[in-house]
Amino acid sequence: EAGVTQFPSHSVIEKGQTVTLRCDPISGHDNLYWYRRVMGKEIKFLLHFVKESKQDESGMPNNRFLAERTGGTYSTLKVQPAELEDSGVYFCASSPRGRALYEQYFGPGTRLTVT
Amino acid sequence: AQSVTQLGSHVSVSEGALVLLRCNYSSSVPPYLFWYVQYPNQGLQLLLKYTSAATLVKGINGFEAEFKKSETSFHLTKPSAHMSDAAEYFCAVSLTGGGNKLTFGTGTQLKVEL
Repeated sequence: EAGVTQFPSHSVIEKGQTVTLRCDPISGHDNLYWYRRVMGKEIKFLLHFVKESKQDESGMPNNRFLAERTGGTYSTLKVQPAELEDSGVYFCASSPRGRALYEQYFGPGTRLTVT
Repeated sequence: AQSVTQLGSHVSVSEGALVLLRCNYSSSVPPYLFWYVQYPNQGLQLLLKYTSAATLVKGINGFEAEFKKSETSFHLTKPSAHMSDAAEYFCAVSLTGGGNKLTFGTGTQLKVEL
């Protein structure tokens, strides 16, 4: 069974540009989460999808961030326009329906550098 | 709101020595508690979890943790460190019911020396 995959693994962009991160959860997992780790800080929750619906987006920093999960499969996180403080590692995680409380499976992360 | 505190951003032990990574939590309701490990260039991997069953939880790779409600702690231990245990370890909490978002500590980098 394939794990959670994320693309790209690294992205370097200039301030003001747009970047789109992609996450493919484990097949059949209804729950999908995005987290971010800014250098030296803790990993912070961004948002949670249940299938294609946003269940909780309380962690989204501002309206420059847009997350989608069309068809309840893969998800994208777009940052537009990117700012220097958006640099960090973006993690995606997924978990099965009905076992949401027990374990989230994480992807390797996308390292975003905004210069 | 819940929070997690990991004491010591860097811990160094000798191979074969006891590993003790500290985690204290704050939660207004009974929490679920987790330890994750991140090896270089990999994603986070679940080591173990506490979900209100046994207070002593055994995980993978010989790790275990004990939930102590009176101390609001969930420290991670391993009797004998191995070089392959060198990684970053994260303690996390989620609330029982609804949402299930994880709140993480700042992580502890474990170094194992010969």
